[in-house]
Amino acid sequence: QVQLQESGPGLVKPSQTLSLTCTVSGGSISSGGYYWNWIRQHPGKGLEWIGYIYYTGNTDYNPSLKSRVSISVDTSKNQFSLNLISVTAADAAVYFCARDVWGSYPFEIWGQGTKVTVSS
Amino acid sequence: EIVLTQSPATLSLSPGERATLSCRASQSISNYLAWYQQKPGQAPRLLIYDASNRATGIPARFSGSGSGTDFTLTISSLEPEDFAVYYCQQRSNRLFGPGTKVDIK
Repeated sequence: QVQLQESGPGLVKPSQTLSLTCTVSGGSISSGGYYWNWIRQHPGKGLEWIGYIYYTGNTDYNPSLKSRVSISVDTSKNQFSLNLISVTAADAAVYFCARDVWGSYPFEIWGQGTKVTVSS
Repeated sequence: EIVLTQSPATLSLSPGERATLSCRASQSISNYLAWYQQKPGQAPRLLIYDASNRATGIPARFSGSGSGTDFTLTISSLEPEDFAVYYCQQRSNRLFGPGTKVDIK
């Protein structure tokens, strides 16, 4: 079955760029039919959708983050990645990657999540 | 912007009891509502989509209902593994509700 696994630095300095990668196993991103998302959860808080990418490179982002976020895909590695620039303490969260069928919901498969701390 | 509210914030029940969780949208979202379960240190798990369709592998004790602005997730008889936080989510802008924690009474 399809599995997702996040990876990347657990510590990022303020004003720098947060970069995370989600590796997909058990299925191919390039086969199409699914949207590949990033979602985050601030400590003790609810869930916030960040954005998605389709295998063609088509993206959509949360308007509140749109000026700082980009999502890219590498179909040869079966990975997609998140870049968030100019991070502050408010970006400290657990970051999840997830898959959905419609580019909006429901998020049927999730990675286990990776915790990112923002500190100098 | 369509906003979701969930009630109650916390629901204290015993195993075997029935749990009824509410999710209300600030305007009609048809039946485009999903429910997720999240346990500490884990990713959310999809339970219900399109208001009433159980996701693959979800036990029959979980059921969803509603349309328009008012939705309900019902757990017919709580099992020990059901104590968790439950989130609703709508399709139009992907926003999640704030969650309901179901804890052991």
